[in-house]
Amino acid sequence: DTAVSQTPKYLVTQMGNDKSIKCEQNLGHDTMYWYKQDSKKFLKIMFSYNNKELIINETVPNRFSPKSPDKAHLNLHINSLELGDSAVYFCASSQAGRAADTQYFGPGTRLTVL
Amino acid sequence: AQSVAQPEDQVNVAEGNPLTVKCTYSVSGNPYLFWYVQYPNRGLQFLLKYITGDNLVKGSYGFEAEFNKSQTSFHLKKPSALVSDSALYFCAVRFGSGSARQLTFGSGTQLTVLP
Repeated sequence: DTAVSQTPKYLVTQMGNDKSIKCEQNLGHDTMYWYKQDSKKFLKIMFSYNNKELIINETVPNRFSPKSPDKAHLNLHINSLELGDSAVYFCASSQAGRAADTQYFGPGTRLTVL
Repeated sequence: AQSVAQPEDQVNVAEGNPLTVKCTYSVSGNPYLFWYVQYPNRGLQFLLKYITGDNLVKGSYGFEAEFNKSQTSFHLKKPSALVSDSALYFCAVRFGSGSARQLTFGSGTQLTVLP
């Protein structure tokens, strides 16, 4: 009964490769997010999708491309991976229309670029 | 700009003692404030949030937080700490409207409860 799930949990790859991280939520939420947590544990929003529409796109290299096939899924594709992309990536979801909707987070994907 | 600050990178407390993890905020308008906890190699878990109303908010695992508008603070508290409370704690502020809502997180505070 996992609420927000991500695959894979760990991802080790070489510089220059292309990789994808998948996220699924079964909470019935209509908004999903990607966050990046760096080596100092600092969390920063990357993208937000509402009903499959891109809402927030922070200053992120265009090598990162989110894709939302439906409301329950938000995948993150990364092209030409660089060493600095090594981080933990968290997916989250929430329900719009509430005054202070709570975001629920997935377990994270630890990406290591060699 | 909306922001939160967690002035302490590390807080140590003895088991059974009260704990406080500090958070101050800077927002325009009414703040929506959150506390999350992150255990090692895990995702963030929601603890509690302040929207409006009672300044003392109760959350999961016996945690509570006090909203203080005059001091722009939202400190996390627990009357009696457990070793299992040792984790990384994040304060966050929600801003934006409609579907363009996002959370801005503080830098995190590592809480260590000593047996």
